[in-house]
Amino acid sequence: GAGVSQSPSNKVTEKGKDVELRCDPISGHTALYWYRQSLGQGLEFLIYFQGNSAPDKSGLPSDRFSAERTGGSVSTLTIQRTQQEDSAVYLCASSLASLYSNQPQHFGDGTRLSIL
Amino acid sequence: GIQVEQSPPDLILQEGANSTLRCNFSDSVNNLQWFHQNPWGQLINLFYIPSGTKQNGRLSATTVATERYSLLYISSSQTTDSGVYFCAVDDFNKFYFGSGTKLNVKP
Repeated sequence: GAGVSQSPSNKVTEKGKDVELRCDPISGHTALYWYRQSLGQGLEFLIYFQGNSAPDKSGLPSDRFSAERTGGSVSTLTIQRTQQEDSAVYLCASSLASLYSNQPQHFGDGTRLSIL
Repeated sequence: GIQVEQSPPDLILQEGANSTLRCNFSDSVNNLQWFHQNPWGQLINLFYIPSGTKQNGRLSATTVATERYSLLYISSSQTTDSGVYFCAVDDFNKFYFGSGTKLNVKP
């Protein structure tokens, strides 16, 4: 596809379950970003990948959150033992190069996660 | 981390009016971006502007890095400009977002 693709678009799960969110960036984009937007709140930066590596993981909210990227393409954000406060829209973006360069980010439509 | 403050938090305009949105940040940054999130949640990068002035149609942005602020100007506003405008800065490794300005342009 032409844009950033995220799946699933909606996920409803019970508290305590694990969830995996997927982001498929634009082909050729080396940089990939994950954000979270809770209801009525601003955007919260979670993690950034340059290729397969994430230079700083301190933006992840807790150790229940992990993210990986393989092959310099698809990324997954995993939340273990979900809590109600994890309910949010999780957005992914990609860009041609890193945070160091003047390249715009292209955003997916997000995954709306609801924890019951 | 870097603190990012946006003002005003809410703004209501009549179609055709002009407006200025402000973003203050607390430390030196690598870069600054303005985003628009439309009422359907879609997010678009408006400007990548660490310093200076850029223009794109009815929108323009100015960043004065030495004074740690950026301004987003919207001229001749249209209903399609409604949504939330976010400012974000980065320090090479992480992004820091402001809480946004919610704009409602009325016909």
